[in-house]
Formats: sequence, C-alpha cells, structure tokens
Amino acid sequence: GNSVTQMEGPVTLSEEAFLTINCTYTATGYPSLFWYVQYPGEGLQLLLKATKADDKGSNKGFEATYRKETTSFHLEKGSVQVSDSAVYFCALGTSYGKLTFGQGTILTVHP
Amino acid sequence: GAVVSQHPSWVICKSGTSVKIECRSLDFQATTMFWYRQFPKQSLMLMATSNEGSKATYEQGVEKDKFLINHASLTLSTLTVTSAHPEDSSFYICSARPSEGEQFFGPGTRLTVL
Repeated sequence: GNSVTQMEGPVTLSEEAFLTINCTYTATGYPSLFWYVQYPGEGLQLLLKATKADDKGSNKGFEATYRKETTSFHLEKGSVQVSDSAVYFCALGTSYGKLTFGQGTILTVHP
Repeated sequence: GAVVSQHPSWVICKSGTSVKIECRSLDFQATTMFWYRQFPKQSLMLMATSNEGSKATYEQGVEKDKFLINHASLTLSTLTVTSAHPEDSSFYICSARPSEGEQFFGPGTRLTVL
C-alpha cells in the first residue's frame, strides 16, 4: 500500500535559517505529492504540489521536487520567518482524491 | 479561497452517548467529502470517503456502524460517533473536494469522551 515517511520533529530554527524537511514515499502507480501546512488553530492548507516526476512545486518561498528515483519530496526554504512556524505534512494522493499523510513535522522559528 | 467549516469545534460527552459533527463547504459544492482522524502527534488517518447521495466508503478497520456518515447535500456531510467511548477521543477533520482538484480542509473537531 501507499505510505509516507516524514522527518521527525520538532524542528527549531532561527529566523533566516535554511529549512529542509525530508519526505519519502512508497506507492503503487504514479501518485501526486503534496505539502500541507497547518497553522495554530487553523485547518490544513495546501502549500505546494507536484503531479509527476521531476516537477517542482513552489509557493511562498518553499520548494519541493518530485524525485522518482529516490522516492522523495523534500521541502526546502532558503530563509525561514517566524510566521512559518506551523506543522508541515507531506502527503501522497491518488487520482481518486485519497490522501495518505506523513506524521507531520512541527517547525518553530525564533526571532 | 474555498472555505470548509466544522461544527462544533470541540465537544465533551459522556461514555455511551452519540455525537454528531458537521462539515460544510461554505462557498463551493463538494462532490466528495473525506473524514480523517488525528491522534496527538500522529498523522491524519483517512476514515471514510463520502460522495453526495451515496453510501460512504470506509477504510479498512473503521467500523461503519460506529462512525455513521451522511452526505445529504453538496455542501454538508455529517459524522456521528455512536455510543462513544474514551478510546474514540480524538481530533476529527473533514475535507471537501469539488468534482476534481484540490481538497479543502476544515479546522477540525476535538472530541473528548469521559
């Protein structure tokens, strides 16, 4: 079956530091890959996505590249801000809309 | 953007009672709604997929008689936890999806069963 493994947190960084959150997956077929973000007290929001191998998703300075050869979709940001503090979820999606989530990574950014 | 609401945001109930949670898409019609359960510091686990006007499809290991799902309209789905017990205490999250494309998530409902 499908599964997603995410880097365990929590991750604590200083403002303007470089961020990487690792995500690897196991899947049958050709899934789409997603990063969702959950800010305190809010629902999950789609941060970025990639629908096929070698696609790069990007949004708000975050990037992730769909790497089929390494079955990975690592999230990166060159310079984090305090406002990026949230829980980040990597997810795998099928064409039917089903999502399989990683366990989530708590990110805290200090001024 | 698309907004999905859940009501209530939190609920406390006694063991043996039933609790209903509503999920509404406020500004779009949701062909499909999904219900997830999230334990502390763990991932979201899909419980069931609900299509308007038809029976929900439950994931393996989810008791359909315990977690009743109704999707009576294109903007409303309900999850009823029947005869709730302390082990049902969790964070329940719904999402709604138009005919294709992105899912939009509700803010979640915290259920505590005493």
